[in-house]
Amino acid sequence: DIQLTQSPSFLSASVGDRVTITCRASQGINSYLAWYQQKPGKAPKVLIYAASTVQSGVPSRFSGSGSGTEFTLTISSLQPEDFATYYCQQLNSYPLTFGGGTKVEIK
Amino acid sequence: EVQLLESGGGLVQPGGSLRLSCEVSGFTFNNYAMTWVRQAPGKGLDWVSAISLSGGHTEYADSVKGRFTISRDNSKNTLYLHMNSLRADDTAVYFCAKCSSTCSTKWFDSWGQGTLVTVSS
Repeated sequence: DIQLTQSPSFLSASVGDRVTITCRASQGINSYLAWYQQKPGKAPKVLIYAASTVQSGVPSRFSGSGSGTEFTLTISSLQPEDFATYYCQQLNSYPLTFGGGTKVEIK
Repeated sequence: EVQLLESGGGLVQPGGSLRLSCEVSGFTFNNYAMTWVRQAPGKGLDWVSAISLSGGHTEYADSVKGRFTISRDNSKNTLYLHMNSLRADDTAVYFCAKCSSTCSTKWFDSWGQGTLVTVSS
């Protein structure tokens, strides 16, 4: 099974900060990686798919990059509504797996 | 508007069974693969199972293989998860999600709000 390791697991940041979250895969997954945002008590929402394609309706401050085994999610200027938990997911092969999550909190 | 509505969760004793349903609307159900994802209280996301457009191909996480069965009724626009031999570590909110096409190599583009399954005596 492909393991995904997200770092950091917790991040404290201020409004306006640039934030980067890393996701490392235990083996190559091409660009079959998605990023999701989840707020407390809500369902996850896709932000990025195919490693770098921004889902329709998602603000342009969100971007993704990477291929193979190392990927990043970047929020260029953190907004109040961005405080949430972020998960990466590999869709290269079954079983489909998620990273452990990165909780972004207000400093 | 795409909508997914899960139902069927509740309290069940260890070793018991439960069937979850996910009724969808707003898209052509039989054009998309579907999937279940769960989240234990305070924990991360855990993929459970996926099913192809026709229902002829299914995939499972090792943790549920042999105990859970995913199915779909395209005439009723409904996805199911039959859960047997339930254990305490199956306690979670169960989300159904729509895959953007197939599930592998694509992404989960719409999610339901989830239904809570609690396994306890």
